[in-house]
This record gives sequence, structure tokens and C-alpha cells, in this order.
Amino acid sequence: DAEITQSPRHKITETGRQVTLACHQTWNHNNMFWYRQDLGHGLRLIHYSYGVQDTNKGEVSDGYSVSRSNTEDLPLTLESAASSQTSVYFCASSVADTQYFGPGTRLTVL
Amino acid sequence: AQSVTQLGSHVSVSEGALVLLRCNYSSSVPPYLFWYVQYPNQGLQLLLKYTSAATLVKGINGFEAEFKKSETSFHLTKPSAHMSDAAEYFCAVRAGGGADGLTFGKGTHLIIQP
Repeated sequence: DAEITQSPRHKITETGRQVTLACHQTWNHNNMFWYRQDLGHGLRLIHYSYGVQDTNKGEVSDGYSVSRSNTEDLPLTLESAASSQTSVYFCASSVADTQYFGPGTRLTVL
Repeated sequence: AQSVTQLGSHVSVSEGALVLLRCNYSSSVPPYLFWYVQYPNQGLQLLLKYTSAATLVKGINGFEAEFKKSETSFHLTKPSAHMSDAAEYFCAVRAGGGADGLTFGKGTHLIIQP
């Protein structure tokens, strides 16, 4: 079955380190998204992409970057991790108005 | 810009009772509206969506929602709660169709009392 996966599922890192979270989907969807989920905030959009070589900033993009070199993957990079980036990160892809979410990555920045 | 307000961060109902989760939205253009459910340590699963067709939308697991433009609301209901409905529920909005990201509410935690 087609699916969307995220890795790692859990990550602990230190302040100032670069961290990359992987997102891979096998639906061949052009549109992909990254959200962060924090208690009391729901989910907030970080970056999104409409296709290969396309990336766009979302509501909370500061400190994050993405790149899209193929249809299947949209890795999220934290250039210099900060404690404020401790969160649960969800990747999603969409077709026909519906977004499908991955299982999430829990990131802790110490 | 669009926004979503979910009234009540926690809602508790008895098993077999009516479930009502409230969602109000604001959007400068006709909205597309969604309800997602999140079970512990899992991703979000789409329950139902409104995309400018029928105002009463039926979803999975017996849930439904009604789009009321005059009240800018999209409340989620289920006639009879089941223990398995205990989860976090999110309402989300997007300005019309297209491929933009969603704007989510802060979520409502549904508790089912036996």
C-alpha cells in the first residue's frame, strides 16, 4: 500500500546542532507539507512544496529549511537547533483537497 | 487570512451520549473545512471535509458536520459516543480549493466516560 513515512520517530539533539528530519511518500503526490504540533497551538505550517525544486515558507518557517529534489521526499532541516524547536513534527502530502499525514517525529532539543 | 477557533480544549461525554465539538472559522474567501482525529502517538486521520458541495457532510466512524455560513461554524457531531472515540480532534480551514497548507484550530480532547 502507498504510504507516508517519517524518520526518525524520536530524536534527541543538543542546542546548535543541525538536524534533518526525513519524510517519504509513495503516492507520487506533488504537494507536500511540514507542520509542527505544540500543546495549546494545534498544528502550524512550517514549509510546503508544490513539486520538485519548489519550496514555500509557511507560518513558522524561521530556523527551518526544506529542499525538494524528487517527488517522494521532502526533508526538513533545522540549521541550528534551539530549545524552542522541541516539538512533534508532522509531514503530509495531498491530492484532491485532502492531506494525508505521516506518524510524526518527536524532537527534543536539550 | 483564515483562522479557526475550537471552543473547549476538553470535552467529556458519557458513552452513548451525543458528541458535539464546536468549530468556528474566519475566511476572506469561501472556505474548505476539515475535521481530523488524532489518536495517542499517531498522525492525523481525516474524518470529513466540506468543499462547497452539500452543507451536511458525513464522515467516517459515524461522525458528521454541518457547514453554516451565517454562523461561520462547522461543528462536529456523533449521535452516540463510543469509548473508541476518545482522541484529539482538530478543525482546519483552507481558503478555497487548491494546494495551500491548512490552518488548524488548537484541538479538542474528547473524553468518554463509561
